[in-house]
Amino acid sequence: ETGVTQTPRHLVMGMTNKKSLKCEQHLGHNAMYWYKQSAKKPLELMFVYNFKEQTENNSVPSRFSPECPNSSHLFLHLHTLQPEDSALYLCASSGYAGLGDTDTQYFGPGTRLTVL
Amino acid sequence: AQKITQTQPGMFVQEKEAVTLDCTYDTSDQSYGLFWYKQPSSGEMIFLIYQGSYDEQNATEGRYSLNFQKARKSANLVISASQLGDSAMYFCAMREGNLGNTPLVFGKGTRLSVIA
Repeated sequence: ETGVTQTPRHLVMGMTNKKSLKCEQHLGHNAMYWYKQSAKKPLELMFVYNFKEQTENNSVPSRFSPECPNSSHLFLHLHTLQPEDSALYLCASSGYAGLGDTDTQYFGPGTRLTVL
Repeated sequence: AQKITQTQPGMFVQEKEAVTLDCTYDTSDQSYGLFWYKQPSSGEMIFLIYQGSYDEQNATEGRYSLNFQKARKSANLVISASQLGDSAMYFCAMREGNLGNTPLVFGKGTRLSVIA
């Protein structure tokens, strides 16, 4: 059973479109992450939010704009994307409980994005 | 240098047999965590097993066990009694340090195919 949901599951957009990806976690976690998975490349971290504050931006182009209105929701706003941005976008959450905690990240099912 | 190395792009195993997926890691931290995830063709990353750097016992979760050899910096995943549903991509990942909500670094993955 997954406690992290993502919508939409599939998205096709043109380079001039604006769209948003949504992630919601039902696990009571306090951190949320966006990862990008391109074909034949390892997962790449994009953004990290801790307690709604962005704590990491992994040199992501400004055409990707994250938003975290609360600890349960995370958005990724997309505009003027390029075909090379086509990938699987995965959201994850974790809830560190203190020293000794495993801090396991739980992932959503991903949004498969195609940019034409 | 790569932090996580998975040297086997693809593996085949006969149903009901055991298989070992290799993972080596590189870190100078004393405290770190190692994770294995399974990614079926649907895309979702499913958490399988965790090993902490200070754990003296190898982690086990059902048919999954982690062969942790700290001196060699290896954290191989062993799947016993393989099933057809085990066919998927498998990723090794590491969290460095003991601070909470730290992003994971992933390897390139191993594609496991279970043959009937």
